[in-house]
Amino acid sequence: SQQGEEDPQALSIQEGENATMNCSYKTSINNLQWYRQNSGRGLVHLILIRSNEREKHSGRLRVTLDTSKKSSSLLITASRAADTASYFCATWDSSYKLIFGSGTRLLVRP
Amino acid sequence: SQTIHQWPATLVQPVGSPLSLECTVEGTSNPNLYWYRQAAGRGLQLLFYSVGIGQISSEVPQNLSASRPQDRQFILSSKKLLLSDSGFYLCAWSVKADGSPLHFGNGTRLTVT
Repeated sequence: SQQGEEDPQALSIQEGENATMNCSYKTSINNLQWYRQNSGRGLVHLILIRSNEREKHSGRLRVTLDTSKKSSSLLITASRAADTASYFCATWDSSYKLIFGSGTRLLVRP
Repeated sequence: SQTIHQWPATLVQPVGSPLSLECTVEGTSNPNLYWYRQAAGRGLQLLFYSVGIGQISSEVPQNLSASRPQDRQFILSSKKLLLSDSGFYLCAWSVKADGSPLHFGNGTRLTVT
């Protein structure tokens, strides 16, 4: 079964708006990661948040982590058409296995 | 800097034919290596991972196998492809540190006809 599950499955917004994607997971974690995938390409690591962190920023990205609720959110501010992609959260099931959720497909309309 | 190469980018194979997908990593030593499969519009399914030469862990019983003949080479194979083997195959590597991010290749789109 999936360790992480994203919500919503698909999101369509206007350029300039903020996009928020949520992720829930099932077991305790050391960290949670977010990845981006452009259509037909490999995944690119965006940001990692450790279990002792509550919020982390990287450029227009803001990630929060609530370990009590086993959830995380990814916020993209001032979205651009180039942000159109699928976004995945991922957690380590063990030291060697990174398990991905099913992803959120984001469409940013120009 | 580290790079990962995965080929071919696309492949169309008939049912029952063999398969060999290759992945190589440059610029790092003794990485962890991974094969994932992604169905259309879906998340990633971990197929195999390797922590060293000749060490392969299989996550899902299936028609596929993996080998790591060299430190930075990871090969995905099948003796006889099934229609259900169609998908997008992604190779990735990470350093040997707990919680490290994965670095992905550009994937191989496999269509079994």
